[in-house]
Amino acid sequence: SYVLTQPPSVSVAPGQTARLTCGGNNIESFGVHWYQQKSGQAPVLVVYDDSDRPSGIPERFSGSNSGNTATLTISRVEAGDEADYYCQVWDRNTDHYVFGTGTKVTVL
Amino acid sequence: QVQLVESGGGVVQPGTSLRLSCAASGVTFSTYPMHWVRQAPGKGLEWVAVISHDGGNEYYADSVKGRFTISRDNSKSTLYLQMHSLTVEDTGVYYCARDRLITRLFEDWGQGTLVTVSS
Repeated sequence: SYVLTQPPSVSVAPGQTARLTCGGNNIESFGVHWYQQKSGQAPVLVVYDDSDRPSGIPERFSGSNSGNTATLTISRVEAGDEADYYCQVWDRNTDHYVFGTGTKVTVL
Repeated sequence: QVQLVESGGGVVQPGTSLRLSCAASGVTFSTYPMHWVRQAPGKGLEWVAVISHDGGNEYYADSVKGRFTISRDNSKSTLYLQMHSLTVEDTGVYYCARDRLITRLFEDWGQGTLVTVSS
């Protein structure tokens, strides 16, 4: 089955930029989606199809996907961005949905 | 505004069964595929199962295939997850989620229902 690997944690100071990676074999051939999950809450979609933002999501959230790595970038990080972030793809070969292992973002 | 409300969670013993429900409102339920996603305590998200808009197709994660059954009643705008032969590894919060039609992602989520499998 397809595997998505994320670093367990990323720490960033307020106002700085956080870059969260999601690694997978030839991931650029998949549409990658990103979810933010704050403590005790359900996940929320923040980026879809590699780089599009749902309505209501700040422009500070952006995404890219190339080669074997997809990246979620959070610019001008705020305290409210502290959360777990998961990447996700749909594996068309198995019709299964796959989540990454998740990255915990800590705002210093 | 889409609202998904899960129910049916609780504490059960290993080897027993449980059925979860998810009531949808604010959306034409019969149009969309629906999912169950779970999260073990302190762990990441794990996709469990998906059912097509009309109930004609179902797919399951390998970890639950043969033990769990996803179903829906479009007349009641309700999604179900029947779970059998539960193990401690099935413990976690179970979320229902609405799929986006063309792009395979999780558009809306419920708040989840906690299932605890313990002797």
